[in-house]
Amino acid sequence: QVQLQESGPGLVKPSETLPLTCTVSGGSISGYYWSWIRQPPGKGLECIGYVYYNGSTYYNPSLKSRVTISVDTSKNRFSLNLNSVTAADTAVYYCARASRGIAFGGFVVIPFGFDYWGRGTLVTVSS
Amino acid sequence: DVVLTQSPLSLPVTLGQPASISCRSSQNLVYSDGNTYLNWFQQRPGQSPRRLIYKVSNRDSGVPDRFSGSGSGTDFTLRISRVEAEDVGVYYCMQGTHWPLTFGGGTKVEIK
Repeated sequence: QVQLQESGPGLVKPSETLPLTCTVSGGSISGYYWSWIRQPPGKGLECIGYVYYNGSTYYNPSLKSRVTISVDTSKNRFSLNLNSVTAADTAVYYCARASRGIAFGGFVVIPFGFDYWGRGTLVTVSS
Repeated sequence: DVVLTQSPLSLPVTLGQPASISCRSSQNLVYSDGNTYLNWFQQRPGQSPRRLIYKVSNRDSGVPDRFSGSGSGTDFTLRISRVEAEDVGVYYCMQGTHWPLTFGGGTKVEIK
């Protein structure tokens, strides 16, 4: 059974970088798209972006200027860095797996969403 | 970005009664391959989201058959034929047809 586990600091200061890692167990990171999704307290879901196992990345345009997602296949994990954070970035951050992507015009859509999710980690941005 | 509007925001339901959630898209969700990539997720209190339905009407493995999805184009519906206590939570639709993928705002199902 595939399992995903987020790790990282629970508190980040404004203007600093939010770093998270997702470790994948019970399956290979190869062949899939790996995503970060966040949920502000009491609000809905927002996809931050995703990385293919080969390192190709696709970021939500609303966050693209501040986001880096990378993958380390040797350690079966992938990471998120979100810089210049503000209180608006306070959220539960989930990592998730997508089994399929469809490429078109430089983009990749994730037609079926995400089939495995981590438990999520709350990150608070505060001084 | 495609906006998915769910209604109602909150849905109190009596145990054993049916429930229906609407998801309306600001754009047609038919992809160039002819498929419609509209999916439904359930998030129980304190848990991660779980996919229930993919491509409009296909149930994921282990999802009870009281859950069903339907719709086309821009209008979609998730139905629960007889609500059980374990169905309490927030339900989200999600489109994977257009870049970037987007989620609806969620519908909270609770027991009366």
